[in-house]
Amino acid sequence: GAGVSQSPSNKVTEKGKDVELRCDPISGHTALYWYRQSLGQGLEFLIYFQGNSAPDKSGLPSDRFSAERTGGSVSTLTIQRTQQEDSAVYLCASSLPEVGEKLFFGSGTQLSVL
Amino acid sequence: AQSVTQLDSQVPVFEEAPVELRCNYSSSVSVYLFWYVQYPNQGLQLLLKYLSGSTLVESINGFEAEFNKSQTSFHLRKPSVHISDTAEYFCAVRSRGGTSYGKLTFGQGTILTVHP
Repeated sequence: GAGVSQSPSNKVTEKGKDVELRCDPISGHTALYWYRQSLGQGLEFLIYFQGNSAPDKSGLPSDRFSAERTGGSVSTLTIQRTQQEDSAVYLCASSLPEVGEKLFFGSGTQLSVL
Repeated sequence: AQSVTQLDSQVPVFEEAPVELRCNYSSSVSVYLFWYVQYPNQGLQLLLKYLSGSTLVESINGFEAEFNKSQTSFHLRKPSVHISDTAEYFCAVRSRGGTSYGKLTFGQGTILTVHP
């Protein structure tokens, strides 16, 4: 597709379960980012990929969070043993890695942990 | 470390009125500055950015923002708004240098509602 695609668009899960969120970036964009948008807290950086490597994981809130990217394309964000405070919109963005880059965001995955 | 403060969480205005959405930042290093916009039921998209050069930058739909280094501000303005400008607007900064190109620090967002 022409834009950044995220799936699922909505995910409801029970506390303690694991979830996987998927991001399909724009073709040719080597840089990929995950952000989290919590109610009243704005957007929070989680992790940055350049190709398949993640030079910056500084935003991951705990070791329950992990992400991988394969083939320099699709990325998966995994949250293990979900907690209620993990409820948020998880946004993926991609770009060309250049100064002043323009990030292209997906529509996000709304995660609700009951 | 950086932080971004958007001073107004909601700004209601009437159509054709001027608007200013305020953004202040704090950073120990030089930064690049951005405004992103999220229209209803759409993803975030870049509205405009300041990298260097002229401190006044413009978007294609009539918005402008001015970088004021002494006041550490990057306020967004439009002289006459339209109903279609109703959206949430996010101010963001990124450190100059380094290699985490898309590691932006965002403000909390300002919801602009344009009334007929």
